[in-house]
Amino acid sequence: GIQVEQSPPDLILQEGANSTLRCNFSDSVNNLQWFHQNPWGQLINLFYIPSGTKQNGRLSATTVATERYSLLYISSSQTTDSGVYFCAVGGSQGNLIFGKGTKLSVKP
Amino acid sequence: EAGVAQSPRYKIIEKRQSVAFWCNPISGHATLYWYQQILGQGPKLLIQFQNNGVVDDSQLPKDRFSAERLKGVDSTLKIQPAKLEDSAVYLCASKGGRNTDTQYFGPGTRLTVL
Repeated sequence: GIQVEQSPPDLILQEGANSTLRCNFSDSVNNLQWFHQNPWGQLINLFYIPSGTKQNGRLSATTVATERYSLLYISSSQTTDSGVYFCAVGGSQGNLIFGKGTKLSVKP
Repeated sequence: EAGVAQSPRYKIIEKRQSVAFWCNPISGHATLYWYQQILGQGPKLLIQFQNNGVVDDSQLPKDRFSAERLKGVDSTLKIQPAKLEDSAVYLCASKGGRNTDTQYFGPGTRLTVL
C-alpha cells in the first residue's frame, strides 16, 4: 500500500518564526489533505491539495504530484499553532492514509 | 452546518467488557468512516460505509469489532470483548454533499481499557 512519511517528527519554534513541514508519499494519489490536530484531539481540515499551491492566511501548501511530495508552510507562528500536523493521502477506496505527523510546539 | 457528532467523548472500561460508540455524520454525507488513532500515531481506517453498505472493512478486527449504519445516516461501532491494545481514540469522519473530496472529522471518543 501507499506509504506516507512526514518530517520532521518534532519541531519547536519561537513565536513569530516560520516553518516548513514535508510529506513524502510512495505512489500517485488523487487526494491529499493536511490536518491540524489540536491539543484536544480534534482534526481540523487545513487544505485539500492533490496538486498545486493554496494559501489560507498564514498557512500555505504546495503539492508536487509528479515528485510525490507536499509542503506545508507556517509563517509568523503563534502559540495556537501548536499541535500535530498530519498529511493524509487518498487510498484506492477513497479512505485516507495518514503519516505519523509532525508535532509542533510554539513557545511564547 | 453542524459538524460530525460523536458520543461518548470518553469511556473507561475493563478488559473483556463491551463498549459502543455512536457517530452522526454531516447531513447529506453518504460516506462515513471509522478510524482508530493509537497514541503517537496517525489515524488508521477501520471501516468505510457508502450509505448503509460496507465499502472497505479489510482492517477491522472482525472477531471483536463490529459496525453498522442501518439507515444510511448514524453509525455505531462496537467492541466486544475489549483488549488492552484497543485503548485509542476512535474517530468518525464523513464525506459528501457539494464537496466530495474532503473528509470531515468528529471530535473522537477516547477509550481506555484497564
